[in-house]
Amino acid sequence: KQEVTQIPAALSVPEGENLVLNCSFTDSAIYNLQWFRQDPGKGLTSLLLIQSSQREQTSGRLNASLDKSSGRSTLYIAASQPGDSATYLCAVSFSNYQLIWGAGTKLIIKP
Amino acid sequence: NAGVTQTPKFRVLKTGQSMTLLCAQDMNHEYMYWYRQDPGMGLRLIHYSVGEGTTAKGEVPDGYNVSRLKKQNFLLGLESAAPSQTSVYFCASSYSRVTYEQYFGPGTRLTVT
Repeated sequence: KQEVTQIPAALSVPEGENLVLNCSFTDSAIYNLQWFRQDPGKGLTSLLLIQSSQREQTSGRLNASLDKSSGRSTLYIAASQPGDSATYLCAVSFSNYQLIWGAGTKLIIKP
Repeated sequence: NAGVTQTPKFRVLKTGQSMTLLCAQDMNHEYMYWYRQDPGMGLRLIHYSVGEGTTAKGEVPDGYNVSRLKKQNFLLGLESAAPSQTSVYFCASSYSRVTYEQYFGPGTRLTVT
């Protein structure tokens, strides 16, 4: 069964720290992997999309990496800010056209 | 552009009642999706559509029906609501099923008592 796991479920760090969120998946045959941000009571915002042929993508203070062979992706956030507080979701498009979601990591940045 | 919009934002139903959730997108996307999100779980796909007039079942389709009469609209219906359908429902759209990113609406919080 294809599964996507995000650990930890919650993370709290002081403002200014660099941090890494993890996403693991059980099948290396993927099309792409996306990282989303979800703010309370709101929809999801796509942050980064990594195609299966890529190793990483960067947007501002965010960097996402992909290692298909180990079934892992990381989202690196540099110089964290209170405005980064949100739930971060990982979603994987597998080659059988299934899009499977992780349960998310709730991130709290303490001022 | 409004992107993806959903109506209503909140709804409370009694068991057995019916309702329709409306999703609209103005990005000319072919693909549209309905998900539900429950606490501690990832999003689960209910139904999706690959174009006007088409629909297909996702991971958890039971108890729901959908229609895509116009390219920009995707409707999700609950014919006889059950407490197990209490959830937050998200609509999304994209250019293609797997290659392009999905754009999400703000969600509908549904409570069935």
